[in-house]
Amino acid sequence: KAGVTQTPRYLIKTRGQQVTLSCSPISGHRSVSWYQQTPGQGLQFLFEYFSETQRNKGNFPGRFSGRQFSNSRSEMNVSTLELGDSALYLCASSPEGGSYGYTFGSGTRLTVV
Amino acid sequence: SQKIEQNSEALNIQEGKTATLTCNYTNYSPAYLQWYRQDPGRGPVFLLLIRENEKEKRKERLKVTFDTTLKQSLFHITASQPADSATYLCALDIKGGSYIPTFGRGTSLIVHP
Repeated sequence: KAGVTQTPRYLIKTRGQQVTLSCSPISGHRSVSWYQQTPGQGLQFLFEYFSETQRNKGNFPGRFSGRQFSNSRSEMNVSTLELGDSALYLCASSPEGGSYGYTFGSGTRLTVV
Repeated sequence: SQKIEQNSEALNIQEGKTATLTCNYTNYSPAYLQWYRQDPGRGPVFLLLIRENEKEKRKERLKVTFDTTLKQSLFHITASQPADSATYLCALDIKGGSYIPTFGRGTSLIVHP
């Protein structure tokens, strides 16, 4: 079966712009989580969506937002980009939540210049 | 505060030997612990999940132990191969929490032929 698909794979944006990243989970998975990974901080949890509702949220500013559609596809948006937002953004899906293990996508590498 | 610790120094071993990676945690009462493998520029790949009431879990050449008294998990790869070279991440949730896994920073494993 198809894995978790994230688009685009690479993105270069200018400081102050906004960006939208997309994630298509494995078919049948209702939980989609987003993580930010940087060399300095490791994997940091952004938020989790389950059946179109944000179920959990990490400690990130309000510039980071997301949503989930009825087909479980999810998007995350970052507004007013800062240089520090440069990172690998990973989407992970699971049937119900983290207690069954996550399937991660390959990520979107965002570079803010 | 809650902390997950993995050895930041790379583990170098010879092909055929057993690699043992450590994950220690403090101020947690996890319901489960997970191990992932991550290759450069890719998303983590789920390997094994062990629950708090389980002492040991095996999958092919992989073995995980979970000691809730020591607050430690050991991850073993037997008969290691150069293809096992990667960064290995542990992740655990909080009992009674949201089941969102929190990740350690990972340990790099390098298997020399």
